[in-house]
Amino acid sequence: EAEVAQSPRYKITEKSQAVAFWCDPISGHATLYWYRQILGQGPELLVQFQDESVVDDSQLPKDRFSAERLKGVDSTLKIQPAELGDSAMYLCASRPPGSGIGTGELFFGEGSRLTVL
Amino acid sequence: SQKIEQNSEALNIQEGKTATLTCNYTNYSPAYLQWYRQDPGRGPVFLLLIRENEKEKRKERLKVTFDTTLKQSLFHITASQPADSATYLCALDKGSGNTPLVFGKGTRLSVIA
Repeated sequence: EAEVAQSPRYKITEKSQAVAFWCDPISGHATLYWYRQILGQGPELLVQFQDESVVDDSQLPKDRFSAERLKGVDSTLKIQPAELGDSAMYLCASRPPGSGIGTGELFFGEGSRLTVL
Repeated sequence: SQKIEQNSEALNIQEGKTATLTCNYTNYSPAYLQWYRQDPGRGPVFLLLIRENEKEKRKERLKVTFDTTLKQSLFHITASQPADSATYLCALDKGSGNTPLVFGKGTRLSVIA
């Protein structure tokens, strides 16, 4: 069964360092999301892509976070510099095409757990 | 501002009983509502979707209701099993194109044998 791939699964870094997360969505899924989930909270959207274009990055802290999906397939989320408050699970999700009519469940990856010391 | 509330952070029930989880929302008009299951350290997994014009949806031991007047969805697991222990997230979908889902905090369900 096709899955959303994410790496690394775990990352420990010191504050002020740079970190990067990678996501490979299910083949054919044009819509890709990055969510951040703090322990005990629900996922919160950081950025949404449609193919290679950013659709919504209104909640992305652009002073330190960046995201790209250059060829409209896999995506990278970067944080530089990392701060203590960035410790969280970073989840990537993709959505099948033709999902604009309420049939669009999200397929999540296993997430990347970031700990900033 | 938009607000999604799931009734409690944690819910403990006895095996075999029906678990009922609540999702309430304000300042939002979702066209669809989705429920996900999340195990510790894992990504959420889709369970059910219900549309605003549907009152009830069932899948095996799961049942979801959606009341747009009360702005509430109820999620039921009948004949609960210890394997049902997980966090359950509700998510709202405006349904206009590929708008992102907005998630609640989740309810952590523990089914005790």
